[in-house]
Amino acid sequence: NAGVTQTPKFQVLKTGQSMTLQCAQDMNHEYMSWYRQDPGMGLRLIHYSVGAGITDQGEVPNGYNVSRSTTEDFPLRLLSAAPSQTSVYFCASSYDRGHGSPLHFGNGTRLTVT
Amino acid sequence: AQSVAQPEDQVNVAEGNPLTVKCTYSVSGNPYLFWYVQYPNRGLQFLLKYITGDNLVKGSYGFEAEFNKSQTSFHLKKPSALVSDSALYFCAVRDRSSNTGKLIFGQGTTLQVKP
Repeated sequence: NAGVTQTPKFQVLKTGQSMTLQCAQDMNHEYMSWYRQDPGMGLRLIHYSVGAGITDQGEVPNGYNVSRSTTEDFPLRLLSAAPSQTSVYFCASSYDRGHGSPLHFGNGTRLTVT
Repeated sequence: AQSVAQPEDQVNVAEGNPLTVKCTYSVSGNPYLFWYVQYPNRGLQFLLKYITGDNLVKGSYGFEAEFNKSQTSFHLKKPSALVSDSALYFCAVRDRSSNTGKLIFGQGTTLQVKP
């Protein structure tokens, strides 16, 4: 199993540009999520999905969109990048949303917005 | 507000000595508790979790953690540190009543193990 795969590893955008961060998992996990990691702030939830066709907002959703057309894929879209979105983005999945299921993380995408 | 605190930005220990990385939380009810480790330029790796039962839980790589309900703490421990344990450690909690599955993370503690 590859686990959770994120692409690209690095990306530089100019303010106002759009892009999609890709995330795929091969563990047949129902629950998938996106976090951003900023120094001294831990990780914060952006969006999550409890199954194909179902998505919802986390604590910092503004400026990001998601969709879940298949169980495997959960892309994160930045519609108009801003410098405040400079961060490291992690996709994570788990068997379900609760009951102590640990999250499995991808290796992250380091995004810089200039 | 729900929160997780890791009071030390960095913990320094000598190889072979015991280590403790502290975590306290403020979450209603009886949350699920987790520890993750992050190596440079990598994602977070799950170390261990507390769900219920014995207050001392054992995890990967010889790590263990002690749950203390009265002190709302979940400190990570290892009897004998290795240089290869040097990494960034995150404590996280999940509210049992949450329908988002969200993990609330502490800000992380850098563990430095010196030879």
